[in-house]
Amino acid sequence: DAGITQSPRHKVTETGTPVTLRCHQTENHRYMYWYRQDPGHGLRLIHYSYGVKDTDKGEVSDGYSVSRSKTEDFLLTLESATSSQTSVYFCAMGTGDSNQPQHFGDGTRLSIL
Amino acid sequence: GQNIDQPTEMTATEGAIVQINCTYQTSGFNGLFWYQQHAGEAPTFLSYNVLDGLEEKGRFSSFLSRSKGYSYLLLKELQMKDSASYLCAVRGSGGSYIPTFGRGTSLIVHP
Repeated sequence: DAGITQSPRHKVTETGTPVTLRCHQTENHRYMYWYRQDPGHGLRLIHYSYGVKDTDKGEVSDGYSVSRSKTEDFLLTLESATSSQTSVYFCAMGTGDSNQPQHFGDGTRLSIL
Repeated sequence: GQNIDQPTEMTATEGAIVQINCTYQTSGFNGLFWYQQHAGEAPTFLSYNVLDGLEEKGRFSSFLSRSKGYSYLLLKELQMKDSASYLCAVRGSGGSYIPTFGRGTSLIVHP
């Protein structure tokens, strides 16, 4: 979606290495989210942020950490990647208003060998 | 907790009408969203329902019954480009307003 970008778009790495995915938005939205999407599971929330330095866990947060030092950037880190973390990762942004949808980035396809 | 059910896959013919159902059980209710996701792409917003009834947007309509925990997305005059996954997402109670997503319905439109 316009206004939100993810980098890198594709990454292949080895088990045990650290990985950081970046999400950048230009809409000044308060909320940002990280999801993973796997066949048979749909979109599952990893972590989210409701402001600079304000983050909270989602349903599948084990093995992941996040940071938000600026409104526009939300980083997802896998401290020591495992094969079970091979997935497509989507970042999303939103105003947090109940009637407003989330807007998603184009995704990062991460393969851990 | 929240539980959201959608059919895994549906097929339909170009020009026809298809209805994709979503049933949910949530702690409170603050709205239901439908998203479209083409293969390899990001989900994009289609519709939002918070009150009972039908919301129409061109070829797409979405219906909600809060008492039954039920919604459907109706796609009319199907086109080949409508082949995609359709995701139902429900916002429950709580201040974070973070929706929970169903597993999505893969729609295949054939000539």
